[in-house]
Amino acid sequence: AAGVIQSPRHLIKEKRETATLKCYPIPRHDTVYWYQQGPGQDPQFLISFYEKMQSDKGSIPDRFSAQQFSDYHSELNMSSLELGDSALYFCASSLRGANGNTIYFGEGSWLTVV
Amino acid sequence: ILNVEQSPQSLHVQEGDSTNFTCSFPSSNFYALHWYRWETAKSPEALFVMTLNGDEKKKGRISATLNTKEGYSYLYIKGSQPEDSATYLCASRIKAAGNKLTFGGGTRVLVKP
Repeated sequence: AAGVIQSPRHLIKEKRETATLKCYPIPRHDTVYWYQQGPGQDPQFLISFYEKMQSDKGSIPDRFSAQQFSDYHSELNMSSLELGDSALYFCASSLRGANGNTIYFGEGSWLTVV
Repeated sequence: ILNVEQSPQSLHVQEGDSTNFTCSFPSSNFYALHWYRWETAKSPEALFVMTLNGDEKKKGRISATLNTKEGYSYLYIKGSQPEDSATYLCASRIKAAGNKLTFGGGTRVLVKP
């Protein structure tokens, strides 16, 4: 079965550069989530989209932006990168529905800022 | 409880033994509790989504219970095998927070042959 696809899997950027991470949700899923997991930290919610509109916003820095496109894939744009942005970035997708819908995660994109 | 907390942080289990660990979460405005199994360099694998107080779910040798009134869930592994070695994450969703998951720190399980 198709899973959540993230690209690139690994990315190295220098401080003050820009990075873009892409997420392709499971087909027919209408909701995409972005999470950030720093070294030794719990995954932290950044932002989510439902039907191409932002639905929830978490601890996403102002330097970051994200959007969901007409084909439901999503991109997380990170500008003016800082060393502290080095983390594993997870994308997840789900189909909105009742009774606690399952949220499926991608394998993550490792960002290293040097 | 304001955050999602898991205990213990790590667990060493002898192959064949059974084990369990805890996830504590805010009980007010509860919506759902998710359990994930996460191996390094792989995507977290969804194990269970639990919504009802008293719910009990099972997947092979792994099962989970839910108490929404007191805000805790137990995950049980029966007859642990080396392939059960992973980090087990729980995450809660509350009605006021939309669809976002709040994760606990995980319980790292190492099953020794």
